[in-house]
Amino acid sequence: QLVQSGAEVKKPGESLRISCQSSGYRFTSYWINWVRQRPGKGLEWIGKVDPNDSYARYNPSFQGHVIISTDKSTSTAYLRWRRLNASDTAIYYCARLDSTWPWGQGTLVSVSS
Amino acid sequence: SSELTQDPAVSAALGQTVRITCQGDSLRSSYPRWYQQRPGQAPTLVFYDKNKRPSGIPDRFSGSTSGDTASLTITGAQAEDEADYYCNSRDTSGDHWVFGGGTKVTVL
Repeated sequence: QLVQSGAEVKKPGESLRISCQSSGYRFTSYWINWVRQRPGKGLEWIGKVDPNDSYARYNPSFQGHVIISTDKSTSTAYLRWRRLNASDTAIYYCARLDSTWPWGQGTLVSVSS
Repeated sequence: SSELTQDPAVSAALGQTVRITCQGDSLRSSYPRWYQQRPGQAPTLVFYDKNKRPSGIPDRFSGSTSGDTASLTITGAQAEDEADYYCNSRDTSGDHWVFGGGTKVTVL
């Protein structure tokens, strides 16, 4: 399964890292993807990471604003922001899009002054 | 990159057939995956590849693809099928993923 970290409340300009811990399969065998869902809106693919070496690929719309990484020792993937803004308010999901594995439960990130 | 286009909403009477379509260039080379999302829940895969349903998904869900258009069909829609449905596939480069805008299904 994929288990995500809890909800976060942040101010604009703050940094944040959310996590997605994997279990029940070999972590290094499958890319992990991150998906955004803004309130009342659809799903947007942010990017993916190869757990073997943390090599990441990004949707151009998110490139430079987020960083995706992994820690093999804990079978955990991360999504990080250096500077949040209000438009980052959303639920963020981790998922193995190339399998039938269930998605993570989602992490709600609220950014407001 | 590429886009996937879905109708915003469809409706059908209880027990009738619902058809959801998804259009995009990437579908010419990649079968879509279809996700169901009920309010407050994470998306759940309901159909993928040419003709596969994950374990536990009722056989009233089926899919097809022709050219650049894919369809998810719910034959005999039930009240619990009321949800948002998203198509998803690799983009034309094969390196990125893309989602359709979603279709809200209402079962009357």
